[in-house]
This record gives sequence, structure tokens and C-alpha cells, in this order.
Amino acid sequence: GQNIDQPTEMTATEGAIVQINCTYQTSGFNGLFWYQQHAGEAPTFLSYNVLDGLEEKGRFSSFLSRSKGYSYLLLKELQMKDSASYLCAVGFNNAGNMLTFGGGTRLMVKP
Amino acid sequence: DVKVTQSSRYLVKRTGEKVFLECVQDMDHENMFWYRQDPGLGLRLIYFSYDVKMKEKGDIPEGYSVSREKKERFSLILESASTNQTSMYLCASSKQGTLAKNIQYFGAGTRLSVL
Repeated sequence: GQNIDQPTEMTATEGAIVQINCTYQTSGFNGLFWYQQHAGEAPTFLSYNVLDGLEEKGRFSSFLSRSKGYSYLLLKELQMKDSASYLCAVGFNNAGNMLTFGGGTRLMVKP
Repeated sequence: DVKVTQSSRYLVKRTGEKVFLECVQDMDHENMFWYRQDPGLGLRLIYFSYDVKMKEKGDIPEGYSVSREKKERFSLILESASTNQTSMYLCASSKQGTLAKNIQYFGAGTRLSVL
């Protein structure tokens, strides 16, 4: 199978920095997405990486290393509203550009 | 603003019933997807469609079927609901093309309970 692994839960403090890791099988890799999902809501797109390196978007950054099958999502200056699940999803070479999702990381931000 | 609408937020059905979950998108997207989301298992793809009347099986199609008669509408059908189909169902759509353009936009989900 095409396993996508990420931690189940993380806790961090308001104002701090947190890094959420994601590892995947490299065979057929075609791009990696990060989504945010607040409880009871739809997942929303955060970032996309296809080349190695860091993509920065305000307080959120996403990093990719294709050779290592590794990505992370970095959240800076954490706010209470960042408490959510963060989903790593990988696109593999297949019909329809289907995505395979990890189990999601539930992040709790504490005051 | 992009919009994917699922017809119901909550549904309660009985074992053996035929269940229809409806999804409509207003972005003229070619691709549409149905996932189920269960704690610890993440999103798992049930079926997807890349064009009207076209469908492809995902990772867990057993017990489900789909219908895409119009570009904007993708229906998920549980022919005979069972208790192990109790789950959150999410619909998504995306544009055809390279993966970079393939951002999937999700509906708010339908929480289905089968009793």
C-alpha cells in the first residue's frame, strides 16, 4: 500500500512554533498537500509541494524532501484558532490524480 | 468563492435501507470524489469520477455505488446500509489537469448513522 504516516496528536502553547511531520513511500510520488480541518468542518487547502525545499505562506510553511519521503508543516506564532486536525495527502502517479491521505494530526493549542 | 454542497449534515438510517448522499459543486470541476473519514484511519477514497457518467473505484468501494449524470452532481449510494457504514462522508471536487492544479475542495460532510 501507499502508507502515509503522521503523529496522531500534538499539543503546543499559544505563541510557540510547532512542526508536524509526515512520511510516505516515495515510489510514484507526484506531489504533497497539507489540509487543515477544524472539528465538524470541511478540510481546507493549506499548501502544496512538488519540489524539494520550503514553501512559506505567512505563519505556515511546508517542507519537502523527495529522496527521504518526508514533509513537515511548520506553524509559527500559534494561535488558539490553529487548534485543528492537519492532514497530509500525497498524490501518486495514477489516473485521476487521486490523493492518499494520512490519518491526520490533531493539534491542540493551549493558552 | 468555491462551493461544494452536501445535501445533509446528519442522517440516521436503518440497516438494510437504501441511502443516497448527494453532492453538488458550482466550480465546473471535472473531478469529483467521495471519501469516508473514520477516527485513526483518515480519509479513505470510496469512488471518484473524472467526467459525466464515468466512475472509478477507490480504495474501499465495496457496499457502495455512485452516479454522475450531470457534471455538477455526484451521488453516493449505499444499496443496503450496514452498521459498519456508520461514518462521516466527505465529497470533494477538483479541476482536471496536473496535480499542481488538483487542489481538492471539500464539502462540510454528512455524518451517517446506521442503526
